Amino acid sequence: DQQVKQNSPSLSVQEGRISILNCDYTNSMFDYFLWYKKYPAEGPTFLISISSIKDKNEDGRFTVFLNKSAKHLSLHIVPSQPGDSAVYFCAASAVGGDSWGKFQFGAGTQVVVTP
Amino acid sequence: DAGVIQSPRHEVTEMGQEVTLRCKPISGHDYLFWYRQTMMRGLELLIYFNNNVPIDDSGMPEDRFSAKMPNASFSTLKIQPSEPRDSAVYFCASSSDLPPYEQYFGPGTRLTVT
Repeated sequence: DQQVKQNSPSLSVQEGRISILNCDYTNSMFDYFLWYKKYPAEGPTFLISISSIKDKNEDGRFTVFLNKSAKHLSLHIVPSQPGDSAVYFCAASAVGGDSWGKFQFGAGTQVVVTP
Repeated sequence: DAGVIQSPRHEVTEMGQEVTLRCKPISGHDYLFWYRQTMMRGLELLIYFNNNVPIDDSGMPEDRFSAKMPNASFSTLKIQPSEPRDSAVYFCASSSDLPPYEQYFGPGTRLTVT
């Protein structure tokens, strides 16, 4: 069962505009969330994280928002740059529980930033 | 640090053959993970180790798959016998047990079973 869902397989955005990537989860035990970025022929690389005690975390152009009641998180990239073209995965885990370390990944969203 | 190292980068083998994938985690990381990525199932966790001990292997698809971690700097994922449906990209990742708990992924091994 897919406990982490990224319902948009792709997103096209103009350079300089905002990219918004969405992620939904079903397991209420999840309390830690990560976003990864993946280029072709490379492994995913960590982008930003958020724990359930926060509703927002910011790192440069990247901001992650968490809405626990809706079991929804989003990643905002502002402004989008051509180098942001990649596949973005969200991942969730119950860090405080027995399954520490076991992150469930979404299917990914392919972002294409056009000039 | 060189990051997580995986070998081989590409493997092409015939159905029925044994395949061994190798991983060297980042020094000092306590956790090691094996993932498989396919178009159909996305990125799925196969097994993970803590301090060389397997913690959860519920993602291992069947008995044809096995993984070992004989020491803190080496792990293998073995498929015996291999089947065409095992064709995928296999990633190894490692992490510490400190926030933000991010996993560092290797470049992956692209496995093709004909």
